[in-house]
Amino acid sequence: GQQLNQSPQSMFIQEGEDVSMNCTSSSIFNTWLWYKQDPGEGPVLLIALYKAGELTSNGRLTAQFGITRKDSFLNISASIPSDVGIYFCAGDARSFGNEKLTFGTGTRLTIIP
Amino acid sequence: DGGITQSPKYLFRKEGQNVTLSCEQNLNHDAMYWYRQDPGQGLRLIYYSQIVNDFQKGDIAEGYSVSREKKESFPLTVTSAQKNPTAFYLCASRTRGGSTEAFFGQGTRLTVV
Repeated sequence: GQQLNQSPQSMFIQEGEDVSMNCTSSSIFNTWLWYKQDPGEGPVLLIALYKAGELTSNGRLTAQFGITRKDSFLNISASIPSDVGIYFCAGDARSFGNEKLTFGTGTRLTIIP
Repeated sequence: DGGITQSPKYLFRKEGQNVTLSCEQNLNHDAMYWYRQDPGQGLRLIYYSQIVNDFQKGDIAEGYSVSREKKESFPLTVTSAQKNPTAFYLCASRTRGGSTEAFFGQGTRLTVV
């Protein structure tokens, strides 16, 4: 089955640094979602994007829906310790008749003391 | 409070035994999903259901079974045919129609010994 490719797989940064990650697909989506997962917990929705080219912010987080509809980007500014976790993108092609919600492989963020 | 409840949080079973994981939601969502997560990996779709008494196989359905007798409930049975059942299992739900976000439960960690 399809999984979206996320990059990078892992990141080791210092507190205060900015973070960028992206998600790419071979097929187009009409919605992109970004989730964060803490260890041993279920993912929690961070940002939802509904239109190609859309740029949406949620506090220090900013995400963009790629113009081609095949990619999306997430940026975190001025990272803090609670940003540690795994970030997943998800693509939704529901309006194209595909009821599946496809997830990326994840980006693990670690903050070095 | 509205939400998705998975139980139990931790489950241990002997090899060769079937085990059923519970997922209940009171969000009035039509669509429900089961995902499997292995260490360092993304979320892989096992089964999903769009309406009561209907469900479809996801990408890794072999060795699993589900039922959807009630809108609120979508239990997953891990059968003895599943070769590597030890994993973290996540249930999600969302409304039907349009492009909407999925909300997750807290997950069940299954360990087969």
